[in-house]
Amino acid sequence: EDQVTQSPEALRLQEGESSSLNCSYTVSGLRGLFWYRQDPGKGPEFLFTLYSAGEEKEKERLKATLTKKESFLHITAPKPEDSATYLCAVPRGSSNTGKLIFGQGTTLQVKP
Amino acid sequence: EPEVTQTPSHQVTQMGQEVILRCVPISNHLYFYWYRQILGQKVEFLVSFYNNEISEKSEIFDDQFSVERPDGSNFTLKIRSTKLEDSAMYFCASDGGVMNTEAFFGQGTRLTVV
Repeated sequence: EDQVTQSPEALRLQEGESSSLNCSYTVSGLRGLFWYRQDPGKGPEFLFTLYSAGEEKEKERLKATLTKKESFLHITAPKPEDSATYLCAVPRGSSNTGKLIFGQGTTLQVKP
Repeated sequence: EPEVTQTPSHQVTQMGQEVILRCVPISNHLYFYWYRQILGQKVEFLVSFYNNEISEKSEIFDDQFSVERPDGSNFTLKIRSTKLEDSAMYFCASDGGVMNTEAFFGQGTRLTVV
């Protein structure tokens, strides 16, 4: 059964303190791994798609990497505005990538 | 920038009542979805819709749920007889339907059943 597990559940950082979030997945035939950001009471906001092991993508202070079993979201010198829940998701089914299986998320709090 | 819009942002309803949640997907997208998120839990897939019919549904999407695309722009989720456990955030999403394209989500409707 396709599964996504994220760790840690919660992470508190001081501003400028770099760290990484983990997403472990089990899926038959990976067709992409998606990272989203979710602010409280809001919908998931797309960040990255990774397709193959070794791939990396960057956006501002965020860098996502992918291996055959897991993905990491590295946060370099975070700022308070990076505080949010970060969701990892993989597609399920055989025909379209919109049907996603989500992890439970990592809630990041960055203190000034 | 194109976005998925949902209305209302918050809906309070009595148990047993019918509710309709509305969504306007991104205009050139072909696949439409509903997800829900119970407070403190994962985002869960409910249903996908393509070419005016359901293409997949989860076990959550039972007979009390239905979806419709009544015109060229709106996509609705109807819950016929709401239960307390239907209280959740409901998210609409859409994607272009080309392999490996990301889904874009709306801001959600918070449904509270009392």
